[in-house]
Amino acid sequence: AQSVSQHNHHVILSEAASLELGCNYSYGGTVNLFWYVQYPGQHLQLLLKYFSGDPLVKGIKGFEAEFIKSKFSFNLRKPSVQWSDTAEYFCAVMGPYNNNDMRFGAGTRLTVKP
Amino acid sequence: EAGVAQSPRYKIIEKRQSVAFWCNPISGHATLYWYQQILGQGPKLLIQFQNNGVVDDSQLPKDRFSAERLKGVDSTLKIQPAKLEDSAVYLCASSPVVAGELDIQYFGAGTRLSVL
Repeated sequence: AQSVSQHNHHVILSEAASLELGCNYSYGGTVNLFWYVQYPGQHLQLLLKYFSGDPLVKGIKGFEAEFIKSKFSFNLRKPSVQWSDTAEYFCAVMGPYNNNDMRFGAGTRLTVKP
Repeated sequence: EAGVAQSPRYKIIEKRQSVAFWCNPISGHATLYWYQQILGQGPKLLIQFQNNGVVDDSQLPKDRFSAERLKGVDSTLKIQPAKLEDSAVYLCASSPVVAGELDIQYFGAGTRLSVL
């Protein structure tokens, strides 16, 4: 069955530290990959997506993610985090064409200390 | 552009009672999704509509959960009777293209349900 694993449940960083959040999925077919973010008190919103093409994708607010097909991974990165990046981050995988079943990981809570 | 609207924001009920949630998607969005997010977990898809037809309800507990999308716009999700394990945030999302094509989902703020 299709599943999504996020390695870290809670990450605590100081401002200006670099961030990498892991995401692995188990799915044999072509997939579309997403990172969603939920800031405190706000709704889920798209951070970035990968459908095809360049495996290094850039999203909003300086975030980027790299799709490594051989490792079934889609890790999220940011070179220098800010206090305002404190949020919960969800990796999500959507199955191939004609199957819009979106599976989410359990989420990683990021706390950035000022 | 107005976002996905959900109501109520919070609901507290006792087990075995009934509850209903309402969702108004972004205007023109053909596809609507209901998710259940239990504390500490990611959202889990319950049901997906394309216009007013069901595309996928394989993870909907049909003995107690039901959903409809009248006229292909607003949608309601009902639980009858509720159980303690139904305590969760219920998220509605919509996307602008026909199901089966690639697109992005826009989420509402959710309804937080507590079953006592």
